[in-house]
Amino acid sequence: NAGVTQTPKFQVLKTGQSMTLQCAQDMNHNSMYWYRQDPGMGLRLIYYSASEGTTDKGEVPNGYNVSRLNKREFSLRLESAAPSQTSVYFCASSEGHGTGGTEAFFGQGTRLTVV
Amino acid sequence: KNQVEQSPQSLIILEGKNCTLQCNYTVSPFSNLRWYKQDTGRGPVSLTIMTFSENTKSNGRYTATLDADTKQSSLHITASQLSDSASYICVVSAKYKLSFGAGTTVTVRA
Repeated sequence: NAGVTQTPKFQVLKTGQSMTLQCAQDMNHNSMYWYRQDPGMGLRLIYYSASEGTTDKGEVPNGYNVSRLNKREFSLRLESAAPSQTSVYFCASSEGHGTGGTEAFFGQGTRLTVV
Repeated sequence: KNQVEQSPQSLIILEGKNCTLQCNYTVSPFSNLRWYKQDTGRGPVSLTIMTFSENTKSNGRYTATLDADTKQSSLHITASQLSDSASYICVVSAKYKLSFGAGTTVTVRA
């Protein structure tokens, strides 16, 4: 089983460029999430989708947009990249509604550098 | 202010030795607490889950404890192996929200 698959694994952008991070899960999970991980800080929730067709802001949504394309796929878009968005991005999925109570399964991460 | 604090930030131990990682939280209302292991360049993977009524839970050489009264948890690694080198993240769940600690980086040396 692939679990949660993210693409790309690495990306370098220039300030102002746009890009979309792709995420797909094959576990038939209802909920999907995007987190960013910065040195010395815990993972912070950017956006989540409790179920197909719904998306909600997390802790740090500014500068990002998301699309829950179908039950399997959840993409994260940076419209105009800024150096502050340099980070490692993780996609995750879980069986249950919301982010509490059930185990989250994570992808391998996308290391994004904005210069 | 982070609601989940982990200590130490990092530690180095010799192969075969034991170590204990700490997690203090202020998250409320408490639902459960998980310890995740994150290998370098990989996503976190769940090791254990602790609910309010559980004090101790083991997963092989990993033993987690929870004191819900003092809002503290620990992860004990017994007879460490080189493969235990990773970041260990404490994650506290409050109903519909996950709060992540910054992690403890463990380096096991031969």
